Amino acid sequence: SSELTQDPAVSVALGQTVRITCQGDSLRSYYASWYQQKPGQAPVLVIYGKNNRPSGIPDRFSGSSSGNTASLTITGAQAEDEADYYCNSRDSSGNPELVFGGGTKLTVL
Amino acid sequence: EVQLVESGGGLVQPGGSLRLSCAASGFTFSSYWMSWVRQAPGKGLEWVANIKQDGSEKYYVDSVKGRFTISRDNAKNSLYLQMNSLRAEDTAVYYCASYSPALDAFDIWGQGTMVTVSS
Repeated sequence: SSELTQDPAVSVALGQTVRITCQGDSLRSYYASWYQQKPGQAPVLVIYGKNNRPSGIPDRFSGSSSGNTASLTITGAQAEDEADYYCNSRDSSGNPELVFGGGTKLTVL
Repeated sequence: EVQLVESGGGLVQPGGSLRLSCAASGFTFSSYWMSWVRQAPGKGLEWVANIKQDGSEKYYVDSVKGRFTISRDNAKNSLYLQMNSLRAEDTAVYYCASYSPALDAFDIWGQGTMVTVSS
């Protein structure tokens, strides 16, 4: 099965821009989706497809992809953005067998 | 209101069985793929299983193949996960989520139910 690799932890100063990356072979063929999870809460979808935000997700969240790397960018990070972020994609087989990255803990300083 | 509510979690001994349920409301359940995703204490998310709208296709992560069975009852707007031969490493919060192949994303999540496998 495929693997998705994320940096375990990233920090950003309040109001600055941060990029969280996700690497994996399957990302050459499929878009990643991104989820925000705060302590004790269920994950929330923040980015899907090429660069789409569900209703209610602030426009400071954006997504991009190049080669085997997908990125989630937060432009003007806010204190409430401090959370764990997970990427997800299909397995390289193309079937809906899915895999999550290990997660990135974002700290807003 | 769109909602997924899981139930059925609890404490079970190694080798035992448990059946999780997920009740859907506020959306057309029968039109969605559905999934189970789990999270061990202090760990990341792990996809467990998917089931197609009509139940004709099912997919599992390798670690649960042959032990877990995903199923659904569209008449009852419900999703299930039958878990047999449980192991300590199956201890986790189990989330029910709707999966959209068109979006390649889990767009609706429940709040989760805790499963603890311990003697």
